[in-house]
Amino acid sequence: EAQVTQNPRYLITVTGKKLTVTCSQNMNHEYMSWYRQDPGLGLRQIYYSMNVEVTDKGDVPEGYKVSRKEKRNFPLILESPSPNQTSLYFCASSKKGLAGGGRFNEQFFGPGTRLTVL
Amino acid sequence: DAKTTQPPSMDCAEGRAANLPCNHSTISGNEYVYWYRQIHSQGPQYIIHGLKNNETNEMASLIITEDRKSSTLILPHATLRDTAVYYCTIFYNQGGKLIFGQGTELSVKP
Repeated sequence: EAQVTQNPRYLITVTGKKLTVTCSQNMNHEYMSWYRQDPGLGLRQIYYSMNVEVTDKGDVPEGYKVSRKEKRNFPLILESPSPNQTSLYFCASSKKGLAGGGRFNEQFFGPGTRLTVL
Repeated sequence: DAKTTQPPSMDCAEGRAANLPCNHSTISGNEYVYWYRQIHSQGPQYIIHGLKNNETNEMASLIITEDRKSSTLILPHATLRDTAVYYCTIFYNQGGKLIFGQGTELSVKP
């Protein structure tokens, strides 16, 4: 089954304790992206990756890191989490991430990771 | 950066057409408009996309104005299962960056 998986689905942690949220897709997609969702603010892009070893900042990258060493995986790293990073996080992938990409840019979203930082 | 603006909420009677507007007045070049919907806190799901012409698929229709500054998603016969948050998004011309607006919370009522 074609899908995007995220782990963990739920996480409660404390301020300053490094954590990683994994994201994996099995569709051989080139483009992957991370979003956070907060009440009243919709979905905001954190980082995206156009292909292996190519990553770039979205709208809210502060406090996050990513890496794209393999095509299928795109982990989100919080080196020193703070309470304002408490949020619902989504990973997504698409075949392409190019302008004019039409249906190739259709994003497939994972189920989400609910993170609470105390 | 181009942004999208949507009304925060709308109601629709079951069986009637739901028309969800989106303003994207700064859209440019070959930037496509995409629509997604999110039920509860699940991952958003793709609905439809368009560039200039009106589009229709099994889920919805998309009407884009001639100047491309706004669009309307039409659910022709809304059902209770269509109750969700609907997002209008733009994929930037330079590639990669995807901007979601705050979405419209559609409530379909019996």
